[in-house]
Amino acid sequence: GEDVEQSLFLSVREGDSSVINCTYTDSSSTYLYWYKQEPGAGLQLLTYIFSNMDMKQDQRLTVLLNKKDKHLSLRIADTQTGDSAIYFCAEIPSGNTGKLIFGQGTTLQVKP
Amino acid sequence: KAGVTQTPRYLIKTRGQQVTLSCSPISGHRSVSWYQQTPGQGLQFLFEYFSETQRNKGNFPGRFSGRQFSNSRSEMNVSTLELGDSALYLCASSPIVNTEAFFGQGTRLTVV
Repeated sequence: GEDVEQSLFLSVREGDSSVINCTYTDSSSTYLYWYKQEPGAGLQLLTYIFSNMDMKQDQRLTVLLNKKDKHLSLRIADTQTGDSAIYFCAEIPSGNTGKLIFGQGTTLQVKP
Repeated sequence: KAGVTQTPRYLIKTRGQQVTLSCSPISGHRSVSWYQQTPGQGLQFLFEYFSETQRNKGNFPGRFSGRQFSNSRSEMNVSTLELGDSALYLCASSPIVNTEAFFGQGTRLTVV
């Protein structure tokens, strides 16, 4: 079935690295996404990775993709208090048009 | 370039009423999709439109409907509102199908 799993909560100290993990079900997914949601706001697209890539780096963000294990991770270097938010990973399963399947979201708490 | 615009931002309706939400996608984007976000169910896909055609639909009752206009703007309608329809409704636009999806700020619907 269609299912994306994430851990629910992560707490880190300011300046540390954060790693948010996600497992997905459809090995045929073409794109995998990371979104950020702050309180009262919509979803902000942080980054996405093509399924034929293993890694993508964008400033403080590093995405790692392990297709064999269907595992996706988002690493945030030098985490800041402004990074406190809920982070969602998402996939578009094969055969679907425009339908993102989201995980439950990981709440990242950054302590000063 | 302007982002995805959703109106209104907040709405309070009474059970049994109907409501129409609007979404203006990013200029040039032709795919618009809608999602419902609730604390209990998370983010769930409602439907996706491309060039005025609904191409994918989530598992929601027929009270939820939508349409897309020739300028790619989209509306969704919920009839006979129930308390459980209270949610954040999010719209996303994509340049073409199954690529990066950009979300609006959402419409917060409260049914009393």
